[in-house]
Amino acid sequence: AQSVSQHNHHVILSEAASLELGCNYSYGGTVNLFWYVQYPGQHLQLLLKYFSGDPLVKGIKGFEAEFIKSKFSFNLRKPSVQWSDTAEYFCAVTTYSFNKFYFGSGTKLNVKP
Amino acid sequence: DVKVTQSSRYLVKRTGEKVFLECVQDMDHENMFWYRQDPGLGLRLIYFSYDVKMKEKGDIPEGYSVSREKKERFSLILESASTNQTSMYLCASTTGGTGSYEQYFGPGTRLTVT
Repeated sequence: AQSVSQHNHHVILSEAASLELGCNYSYGGTVNLFWYVQYPGQHLQLLLKYFSGDPLVKGIKGFEAEFIKSKFSFNLRKPSVQWSDTAEYFCAVTTYSFNKFYFGSGTKLNVKP
Repeated sequence: DVKVTQSSRYLVKRTGEKVFLECVQDMDHENMFWYRQDPGLGLRLIYFSYDVKMKEKGDIPEGYSVSREKKERFSLILESASTNQTSMYLCASTTGGTGSYEQYFGPGTRLTVT
């Protein structure tokens, strides 16, 4: 079975600090990659996605992620976080072989004002 | 906008009860999914369906079954609820194809089994 690893389980930052959340996956073939965010009390929503093309993708709210195929990674970045970015972030992978999605265990981000 | 709705936000059931969780999507999506979300474990796939009356087991199907009689509706059934099924249950849907589309999630049902 495929797997997705998010190594940072809980991250605490001050406002204006830079953010990088790691995501690694195990599948060796063609993949589609996603980052989802879940704000407190809200449902999961898409932050950004990578299907093909430019490996640096930009999402909503100033987030971006870089796909590095050789490292099987899709790390999420934001140059300057805000208190409103406090949420849980999930990396997800799906392949072209089947319709299953694999999610990481999530990273809780706490931004201190 | 895609809308995925779930029948209940909060549910409390007793051990041994049969529990039905319903999910409806309004975008004519072929694929629908049921996950459970537990702290530190992320989202784990229970079942998914790629067409009416079609289903496939996910990673943790034990103790669950599903039903998809209409394209827009996907039900998760706990045949005999147990305390270890206390969790947040999330429904999601996507368009068809071979795994190239994002998932749209419902608000979740927080189930407590006592």
